[in-house]
Amino acid sequence: QVQLQESGPGLVKPSETLSLTCTVSGGSISSYYWSWIRQPPGKGLEWIGYIYHSGATNYNPSLKSRVTLSVDTSNNQFSLRLNSVTAADTAVYYCARGFCSSSSCYRFQFDYWGQGALVTVSS
Amino acid sequence: QSALTQPPSASGSPGQSVTISCTGTNNDVGGYNYVSWYQQHPGKAPKLMIYEVNKRPSGVPDRFSGSKSGNTASLTVSGLQAEDEADYYCSSYAGSNNLVFGGGTKLTVL
Repeated sequence: QVQLQESGPGLVKPSETLSLTCTVSGGSISSYYWSWIRQPPGKGLEWIGYIYHSGATNYNPSLKSRVTLSVDTSNNQFSLRLNSVTAADTAVYYCARGFCSSSSCYRFQFDYWGQGALVTVSS
Repeated sequence: QSALTQPPSASGSPGQSVTISCTGTNNDVGGYNYVSWYQQHPGKAPKLMIYEVNKRPSGVPDRFSGSKSGNTASLTVSGLQAEDEADYYCSSYAGSNNLVFGGGTKLTVL
């Protein structure tokens, strides 16, 4: 059974950089798209970006200037960096895998999710 | 403000059917057959219930069905059960390698 686990600091100061890592177990990181999605407390979901196992990336246009995704296939991990954070970036951050059916793999439909990591931006 | 519009709440009694709408534009819901629906219980991660408008991943009960007409997608839950009480989110491909979500609908089983 594939499992995803987010890890990283739960508190980040304004203007600093938020860094999270997602560790994938029970399956390979290869041949899938891997996304970060966030959810501010009591609010809806927002897609941040995806990375392919090859390292190819794509970002939400609203966050593109501040986001960097990277992948470490040897350790079955991928990571998120979000710089110049403000209180508006306070959210539960999820990592998720792009769903693969018997015939296709999808970038934007997610079947496995991590449990989520709450990151608070505060001084 | 979310890109896709969902009603904040919906409700139904056990055994009944309820439909949740998700309204977008020609640039997202209306332009692509890449609408998904997710179920989220409190404190849990979302779960994929419907992909490509009307397809169910393995393990999702056939009580859950999806459809689309123009710029509005819909999720119907038939034979409501207590465990269906949750938040439901729609999402749609929006072109140019972008994804948008709805604001979510809280489904209450009366």
